[in-house]
Amino acid sequence: EADIYQTPRYLVIGTGKKITLECSQTMGHDKMYWYQQDPGMELHLIHYSYGVNSTEKGDLSSESTVSRIRTEHFPLTLESARPSHTSQYLCASSILNYEQYFGPGTRLTVT
Amino acid sequence: ILNVEQSPQSLHVQEGDSTNFTCSFPSSNFYALHWYRWETAKSPEALFVMTLNGDEKKKGRISATLNTKEGYSYLYIKGSQPEDSATYLCALISNFGNEKLTFGTGTRLTIIP
Repeated sequence: EADIYQTPRYLVIGTGKKITLECSQTMGHDKMYWYQQDPGMELHLIHYSYGVNSTEKGDLSSESTVSRIRTEHFPLTLESARPSHTSQYLCASSILNYEQYFGPGTRLTVT
Repeated sequence: ILNVEQSPQSLHVQEGDSTNFTCSFPSSNFYALHWYRWETAKSPEALFVMTLNGDEKKKGRISATLNTKEGYSYLYIKGSQPEDSATYLCALISNFGNEKLTFGTGTRLTIIP
């Protein structure tokens, strides 16, 4: 089983709150990714990182931001949550040209 | 944005039967193709990474083939078992040089005991 962790697993929060979704991996992977999935839809890449201090936006526009200060840690932050941010967020990591290892996901509901 | 399509969207198969489903992608943008299995309440798990035209890969009762010239990959499951029930995702890495995965919507497979 892959060593990639996400917390919290479930979060229900009110509009306007700041939230941070945590993602950590202990495999020493340089590459890390955040995906968003709405029910019945594809996984869409919203952020990725190729190493410390490297972050890029993905294919799907997102109001969230990410940081990569340490290799093992890739948190995602929403400064002001809105109902449109309700979704499932999956974190993943990989090494060059190999499969991605996924965390268990965070299911976010903004009321 | 690349268009990765999977068919069918969902499938019900009797236990013991074999089945297959398709992933289609733009052949001109091919670099690599990944297959993942995503069981309910678990994380997506990699099955295969395929890079060469004509590749055939196998893991137990599951196998996959790749045709990069015509832009498709097939996933086969032989002798389906209840534990095969999951959503099967394919994802394309394009030749744009950025190693980003573009996922299809998946095929949701249910095995009927």
